Amino acid sequence: DVKVTQSSRYLVKRTGEKVFLECVQDMDHENMFWYRQDPGLGLRLIYFSYDVKMKEKGDIPEGYSVSREKKERFSLILESASTNQTSMYLCASSLTLNQPQHFGDGTRLSIL
Amino acid sequence: RKEVEQDPGPFNVPEGATVAFNCTYSNSASQSFFWYRQDCRKEPKLLMSVYSSGNEDGRFTAQLNRASQYISLLIRDSKLSDSATYLCVGDGGQNFVFGPGTRLSVLP
Repeated sequence: DVKVTQSSRYLVKRTGEKVFLECVQDMDHENMFWYRQDPGLGLRLIYFSYDVKMKEKGDIPEGYSVSREKKERFSLILESASTNQTSMYLCASSLTLNQPQHFGDGTRLSIL
Repeated sequence: RKEVEQDPGPFNVPEGATVAFNCTYSNSASQSFFWYRQDCRKEPKLLMSVYSSGNEDGRFTAQLNRASQYISLLIRDSKLSDSATYLCVGDGGQNFVFGPGTRLSVLP
């Protein structure tokens, strides 16, 4: 089974802080994704990566950046956290872009 | 127009009932479709893929109607444990697009 691990289940940070969310997958998947999920809005793609050091913007990249230095690890960075970034963040990976994605447990991030 | 649309529900059905959800998609070039299940405060988990010829897995049946651009999920003999939100997913070209989900509550 694919295992996608997110570093924290719950995280509380303050406005203006730089926040790092880490994600690791153990199935040698090429593609990795970061989503946020908010009530009534569903899953929205922030960034994705289809190879090491490669990144592509999703639908809502503003206020975020990503890093993929190793194939198994994909980091989401909130450069200067704001209260409207309080959300559930989900990392996913897939073998190819047309195969189903497998999700981590999610990180509930609160920005105070 | 949203690329993938679903009725948010909730669908409240008694145990043992048959329930069906539809999901419409706007990208006629979409090739891959999936149904995911998401429990409250948990991550989405793949339920099943949707093939052109249909797909059945136990009590669950998924269908694709390309002419009308919708996919469906049928759950037979519903169980209390089927209570969850069901997300349909279609490929939007470069990436998959997730629908907002349909909430199902199976009542005793």
